[in-house]
Amino acid sequence: QVQLVQSGAEMKKPGSSVKVSCKASGGTFTSYAINWVRQAPGQGLDWMGGIIPIFDTATYAQKFQGRVTITADRSTSTAYMELSSLKFEDTAVYYCAIIGAPPSDYWGQGTLVTVSS
Amino acid sequence: EIVMTQSPHSLAVSLGERATINCKSSQSVLYSSNNKNYLAWYQQKAGQPPKLLIYWASTRESGVPDRFRGSGSGTDFTLTISSLQAEDVAVYYCQQYYSSPLTFGGGTKVEIK
Repeated sequence: QVQLVQSGAEMKKPGSSVKVSCKASGGTFTSYAINWVRQAPGQGLDWMGGIIPIFDTATYAQKFQGRVTITADRSTSTAYMELSSLKFEDTAVYYCAIIGAPPSDYWGQGTLVTVSS
Repeated sequence: EIVMTQSPHSLAVSLGERATINCKSSQSVLYSSNNKNYLAWYQQKAGQPPKLLIYWASTRESGVPDRFRGSGSGTDFTLTISSLQAEDVAVYYCQQYYSSPLTFGGGTKVEIK
């Protein structure tokens, strides 16, 4: 059973960057696509992008292109999502997730990123 | 990008009654080579990550009660909860995994009447 454990909550100022980590255990890290999904307060689910560690290539949703970077470290089975030029509206819970290849479906616990001056 | 449109936005159903949620995709998510619909349904309870209920449009995830049923094909899909229980209060999302970017419907909030 795969477990995804994310880093803790962050408070950031507008214009800065945040980097969230997602450590995988219990499975073969390189076999899965690790995705990042965000959820603004009271809102729906928004796919940001994903990476397949074995290929080390990431794809991004157009709305985040240029501001998001997704990477993976195979030696530590950890994926990262870095979002730059933060705005107030980037305040959200950010999830890493193995989705889109059912029945494999695993989610991290979520990381709250608050953007506040 | 495939746009997923859910309806209704919210619904209130009496305990033991049926709840029906609709999801429409802007293009077909049926892959002709394997005749599978690349459509999933998720349940999200307050403060928790989403939980997969249904995939391939109608296959229940292991452990999901059989009161949850997915149906539909092509561009029109339905999630039916045949007899609503108190623990089913949640927001439900459809999601397509036919093509990138993965996209979700806007969600349907299910409450007890």
